[in-house]
Amino acid sequence: NAGVTQTPKFQVLKTGQSMTLQCAQDMNHNSMYWYRQDPGMGLRLIYYSASEGTTDKGEVPNGYNVSRLNKREFSLRLESAAPSQTSVYFCASSGFGLEQYFGPGTRLTVT
Amino acid sequence: GESVGLHLPTLSVQEGDNSIINCAYSNSASDYFIWYKQESGKGPQFIIDIRSNMDKRQGQRVTVLLNKTVKHLSLQIAATQPGDSAVYFCAEKGSNDYKLSFGAGTTVTVRA
Repeated sequence: NAGVTQTPKFQVLKTGQSMTLQCAQDMNHNSMYWYRQDPGMGLRLIYYSASEGTTDKGEVPNGYNVSRLNKREFSLRLESAAPSQTSVYFCASSGFGLEQYFGPGTRLTVT
Repeated sequence: GESVGLHLPTLSVQEGDNSIINCAYSNSASDYFIWYKQESGKGPQFIIDIRSNMDKRQGQRVTVLLNKTVKHLSLQIAATQPGDSAVYFCAEKGSNDYKLSFGAGTTVTVRA
């Protein structure tokens, strides 16, 4: 039982490049989330998916898109990366309980 | 803006002492609160949670206290160990929502 896995662990992009961050969970959870974490700040919600087939914007959705591919997988796409998107990105999932389980994070640098 | 915040950004504790990490929230409609621990380079890890119909909840070496009158949440760690050094986040959930709102975190450093 791996929990929540994220790929890649690290990524460096040039401004304007695109990329997709992958997330998968093996806990049969209905809900999945994408957060970003910047130095000295808490986690800010980018997008979430309450259940398979639905996605909704969170607090900071601009510049991102998501896809809930199936119940296990929830991807985050940056279409045209900007330096302001340099951050650590965390995926999380939750089941019937309210607690969210987090992945190890993707550290993204945009130059 | 954020409705959840921690009183102090850093806390230094002597090994073996008890730690108290505080969190203030402003949304009186929040009905669920949770504490996470984040070690360097890792994702947040669930510690303990509490619903608004409770005042106190205990786990292994940890206790969460909820004071709804003053909208205050605290995490107590008994007999703090070096492995407790981390950033601690509180988060809340509104009664009409299931999303969590996180505070900025408190960095706890344990002195040997």
